[in-house]
Amino acid sequence: DAGVIQSPRHEVTEMGQEVTLRCKPISGHNSLFWYRQTMMRGLELLIYFNNNVPIDDSGMPEDRFSAKMPNASFSTLKIQPSEPRDSAVYFCASSFGRPFGEGSWLTVV
Amino acid sequence: EDQVTQSPEALRLQEGESSSLNCSYTVSGLRGLFWYRQDPGKGPEFLFTLYSAGEEKEKERLKATLTKKESFLHITAPKPEDSATYLCAVQAGNYGQNFVFGPGTRLSVLP
Repeated sequence: DAGVIQSPRHEVTEMGQEVTLRCKPISGHNSLFWYRQTMMRGLELLIYFNNNVPIDDSGMPEDRFSAKMPNASFSTLKIQPSEPRDSAVYFCASSFGRPFGEGSWLTVV
Repeated sequence: EDQVTQSPEALRLQEGESSSLNCSYTVSGLRGLFWYRQDPGKGPEFLFTLYSAGEEKEKERLKATLTKKESFLHITAPKPEDSATYLCAVQAGNYGQNFVFGPGTRLSVLP
């Protein structure tokens, strides 16, 4: 079992650019969670899907953030346009944190 | 509003010195309380789920307990490799739709 796979692991981008983070959940898990972790705010749930359908996106900080899950094996989190305050580690998880991926470390300069 | 707090914020222990970490929660309709361990540069690693007051779970040197208002993670005779940040989180709400993480406790175990 390959676990939850996220890409890219690290990204540095300029303010205003579009950022797309990707997640491949564990096969057979019907839930997927996107989190953001910062020193100031800790770990926050952004959005979660069940059977590819967004169930709760109340944690998405603003309209610049969007997430999709076109099929059971792939999800994306997009930030457009990106801002320096979006710099964080973004985690994806199958089920409620069981387990997490290794994270995508985003720096917006 | 569902809230989770953890104490202490940071804890330093000598190897073999047992202690406990606290997770206090205020939620509507607790569905489950989760403990995780997070090492620097890594995603959180799941440790335990507790569902009802009085429940206990153990794994090696770790033991998690749950009451109606808080949970404790007891660490018995810790080793340096137990050094990490320990996070607790709750799933709550009428439909289990709310997920809230605590800020974590940074544990350092000195040899």
